[in-house]
Formats: sequence, C-alpha cells, structure tokens
Amino acid sequence: QVQLQESGPGLVKPSQTLSLTCTVSGGSISGGSYYWSWIRQYPGKGLEWIGYVSYSGSTYYNPSLKSRVTISVDTSKNQFSLKLNSVTAADTAVYYCARTVFAFDIWGQGTMVTVSS
Amino acid sequence: EIVLTQSPGTLSLSPGERATLSCRASQSVSSSYLAWYQQKPGQAPRLLIYGASSRATGIPDRFSGSGSGTDFTLTINRLEPEDFAVYYCQQYGSSPRTFGQGTKLEIK
Repeated sequence: QVQLQESGPGLVKPSQTLSLTCTVSGGSISGGSYYWSWIRQYPGKGLEWIGYVSYSGSTYYNPSLKSRVTISVDTSKNQFSLKLNSVTAADTAVYYCARTVFAFDIWGQGTMVTVSS
Repeated sequence: EIVLTQSPGTLSLSPGERATLSCRASQSVSSSYLAWYQQKPGQAPRLLIYGASSRATGIPDRFSGSGSGTDFTLTINRLEPEDFAVYYCQQYGSSPRTFGQGTKLEIK
C-alpha cells in the first residue's frame, strides 16, 4: 500500500529556509488523479494546509503562505518537496505530507521542525 | 476562507456510549466537501469520513457522518476504548482548505 515519509532538518535558524522532502513508496506519484500536499500542525494542535502539487508540477498554495512557499515534484525519485523561506518561530510545527484526493487520505508520520537560533 | 468551529471542545463519555461531535462552517461548504479525521497522540491524523457521509476504507460502521451546508455531525456508536482521541473536521469545497480546531473525546 502507498506510504509517505517526510525527511529533512529538525532545526532551522530564523530567517533561513525550511526544506523538507516526502518520499512516496508502494505506488507511483504519477499514478492516478492525486495531488500531493503539505500540512502542518502547531504545538497547540491546530492544523494548517500549506499547499499541494500535482505530478505534472501544477501547484496551489494557501494564500496566507503563498509569498514564502514553493512545492515541487520529482517524479523520477517519486518525491515531492517543500521550501518555506524567511522562517520565524511561528513556523515551528510538525510538518506532514499527505496524498490528496479531495480529502487527505494517506498521511506521512510527520516530522517536527523547530525554528530557533 | 471558511472557518470551521467544532463543539464541544472536550467530550467525556464511557465505552459503549454514543458520541455526537459537531462542526459548523462560517459559510456553506459546497457539495458537502467535508471530511472528518481521528488523531491519536504521536500519530498523524487518519481519514474517517469524506463527502460528509462516506466512510474511508477500513473504517468501522460505528462511525457515521451527516449534514450539509453549514452544519455537520460525526456520530460514533458503541464507543470502543480505541476511539478515544481528538477528532477534526476539514472542508475541501473551497480554497484554502481549512480544519476545525478539534474535539477531544476522553474516557469518563
């Protein structure tokens, strides 16, 4: 079955760029009518959708983050990635990747990212 | 952006009882594009219900969803010990996709 796994640094300094990758296994990122999302969960437990990418590279971002976010896909590696620039402490959260077919039906386990000097 | 408000914040019940969780939207959710997720400590959310009332693959039939427009309900019949968790609603009818703040279902 399809599984997703996030990877990337757990600590990022303020003003720098947060970079995460999600590796899809058990299925092709190019197969089916799916989008591939990034979602974050704050320490207080609130969830925020960041954006998604299609296998062809089409993207859609949450307007609240659009100026700082880039999501891309690498079909040859069966991966998609998140870059969030100019981070502050407010970006500290657990970051999840998720397969998106309308709802978010398959999630990665999540990775904690702390923004601190 | 559609704001989803869940109630109650915490629900205390005993195994075997019925849980009724509410999710109210600040504006109508088109095509009933409303989902429910369950999250246990240290785990990612798990999709339970999509399209307001359709159960996701592998979800027991004691979980059911209903509603339309701005008012949606998740009902859990005959609570099992493993059902005690946090539940979130989420709309995907308009962008940006948004989540409710969650309802914690705890053992009484």
